[in-house]
Amino acid sequence: QVRLQQSGPGLVKPSQTLSLTCVISGDSVTSNTAAWNWIRQSPSRGLEWLGRTYYRSKWLNDYSLSMRGRITFNADTSKNQFSLQLTSVTPEDTAVYYCARDISAKLDYWDQGALVTVSS
Amino acid sequence: EIVLTQSPGTLSLSPGERATLSCRASESVSSTYLAWYQQKPGQAPRLLLYGESRRATGIPERFSGSGSGTDFTLTISRLEPEDFAVYYCQQHTRALTTFGQGTRLETK
Repeated sequence: QVRLQQSGPGLVKPSQTLSLTCVISGDSVTSNTAAWNWIRQSPSRGLEWLGRTYYRSKWLNDYSLSMRGRITFNADTSKNQFSLQLTSVTPEDTAVYYCARDISAKLDYWDQGALVTVSS
Repeated sequence: EIVLTQSPGTLSLSPGERATLSCRASESVSSTYLAWYQQKPGQAPRLLLYGESRRATGIPERFSGSGSGTDFTLTISRLEPEDFAVYYCQQHTRALTTFGQGTRLETK
């Protein structure tokens, strides 16, 4: 059974960098079949895919068009986790953030989600 | 990127009735990379159907999917009380994933 556990601050100030981490159990961040995604959800934007990181002999990343230039993904194999950094946040980045696994682009395991509020 | 448009926005039905939810893509999507999710309040989305209408683990047979190209359909044959939720379609093409805006299935 795959489990994902997200951690990070619930409140971030405008213009700062949002950092979230997702710890994986029951699978490996270096799996050659899985990819590790970040998704967010807000009333105004609905479900919004931010991007994903995955290992296929080397680390690869896919980014949503709207996030390119602001978002970075990293993986820590020693801790079996992956992370997101989103720079220059604004109140529009307020959302529930999810990490999720995909196999062949189907998102089969999600964490419970975490509300991140951008406010001074 | 491919835009997914779901209809209707809200569907009001009674338990026992049949539900038909639509997902239309702005350009052709491989059915291999088209999936449906169910979301209940306070929960993460749950994978229902994927890849040419295969049911995810534990999903009842009353859920089925069909379609190809730009038009896809989720059908719930006989609604159970636990089926009233929001449903999303999702696609992955050319290294980009997008979601539809959702259909809310509510009790009539």
